Amino acid sequence: AQSVTQLGSHVSVSEGALVLLRCNYSSSVPPYLFWYVQYPNQGLQLLLKYTTGATLVKGINGFEAEFKKSETSFHLTKPSAHMSDAAEYFCAVSDFNDYKLSFGAGTTVTVRA
Amino acid sequence: KAGVTQTPRYLIKTRGQQVTLSCSPISGHRSVSWYQQTPGQGLQFLFEYFSETQRNKGNFPGRFSGRQFSNSRSEMNVSTLELGDSALYLCASSAGAVRTEAFFGQGTRLTVV
Repeated sequence: AQSVTQLGSHVSVSEGALVLLRCNYSSSVPPYLFWYVQYPNQGLQLLLKYTTGATLVKGINGFEAEFKKSETSFHLTKPSAHMSDAAEYFCAVSDFNDYKLSFGAGTTVTVRA
Repeated sequence: KAGVTQTPRYLIKTRGQQVTLSCSPISGHRSVSWYQQTPGQGLQFLFEYFSETQRNKGNFPGRFSGRQFSNSRSEMNVSTLELGDSALYLCASSAGAVRTEAFFGQGTRLTVV
């Protein structure tokens, strides 16, 4: 079964600084990869996804992620953090023949003024 | 286009009772998935339905069940509630499979007392 590991349960950044959230997956076959964001008392919102093709994926709100097969990683970045980026972020994976998402434990981002 | 609607948003039940949660997917979406989110276990997959058929099921006891209707609306039921069932229950809809793109509702917060 697919699984993902998110390194770091909490990340604190200054406003304007780089945001880097790490995600590694376990699979010998490239899966489908996703990043979701969750604000307090809300559902999940898709930031971006990797299925096939270009390994650098751009998403909403200035986020992007790079799929690196050799490192089995799909790290999420944003060049300049904004206060509104404070939320919890989840990396998720799905197999081609699977009908579910397997989520990482999540990373809470705090943005300091 | 209306999003995924989950009702009710909040629910308080007593141990031993049963509960039914409802999910209306995005119009035209035929796949509905359910997830349980708790602080200790994170986001865990419950089950997925497509055209009224359960295609995948997570590792939850038989007290958790679901169904999907011909209009793609879905319900999940939990019988004989336990304190540990307190969680945010999230529903996601997609056109065919979660790997295409899953849209989440705001969730139902269930508290078991």
